[in-house]
Amino acid sequence: GNSVTQMEGPVTLSEEAFLTINCTYTATGYPSLFWYVQYPGEGLQLLLKATKADDKGSNKGFEATYRKETTSFHLEKGSVQVSDSAVYFCALYLLDEKLTFGTGTRLTIIP
Amino acid sequence: GAGVSQSPSNKVTEKGKDVELRCDPISGHTALYWYRQRLGQGLEFLIYFQGNSAPDKSGLPSDRFSAERTGESVSTLTIQRTQQEDSAVYLCASSLVGRTSTDTQYFGPGTRLTVL
Repeated sequence: GNSVTQMEGPVTLSEEAFLTINCTYTATGYPSLFWYVQYPGEGLQLLLKATKADDKGSNKGFEATYRKETTSFHLEKGSVQVSDSAVYFCALYLLDEKLTFGTGTRLTIIP
Repeated sequence: GAGVSQSPSNKVTEKGKDVELRCDPISGHTALYWYRQRLGQGLEFLIYFQGNSAPDKSGLPSDRFSAERTGESVSTLTIQRTQQEDSAVYLCASSLVGRTSTDTQYFGPGTRLTVL
């Protein structure tokens, strides 16, 4: 079956540090890949997505590149802010199937 | 607002009681999804509606769980005879077209259910 494995948290970084949250997937076929973010007290929001190999999704300074050869979609940001503190979920989607999520990575940024 | 809304935001109930959770999707979205998020875990898919019918109920954990959707709008998730293991955040999402496309699912804020 399809699955997503992401870096276990919690992750704690200082403000302006470089962030990487690893995500790898297993899928039958060629999925679309997503990063969702859940800020404290809020619902899940789509952060970025990529629908085919070598696509780069980007939003709010975050980036992730769809790497088919390594079945990965790692999330990166060059300089994190306190406001980036949230739980981040990697997910995959195949047509006519369900959206499959990783277990989430809690990120805390300290000033 | 234009987003997905859910009610109640919090529900505390006693073991054995029935509960109903409500979801109002974004207007015009034909697809609606329910998920469960247990503490410290990822999202588990429960059920998918296309219009008012549910072509995929494969995630419902037992026959105590049921859901319906009316008017291609509001959906209700019902849990009968609640158990402590039902305690979780129940999330609803909607999307414009559904599983025949790669359109984005938009999530509501969730209902936190606590079964004592």
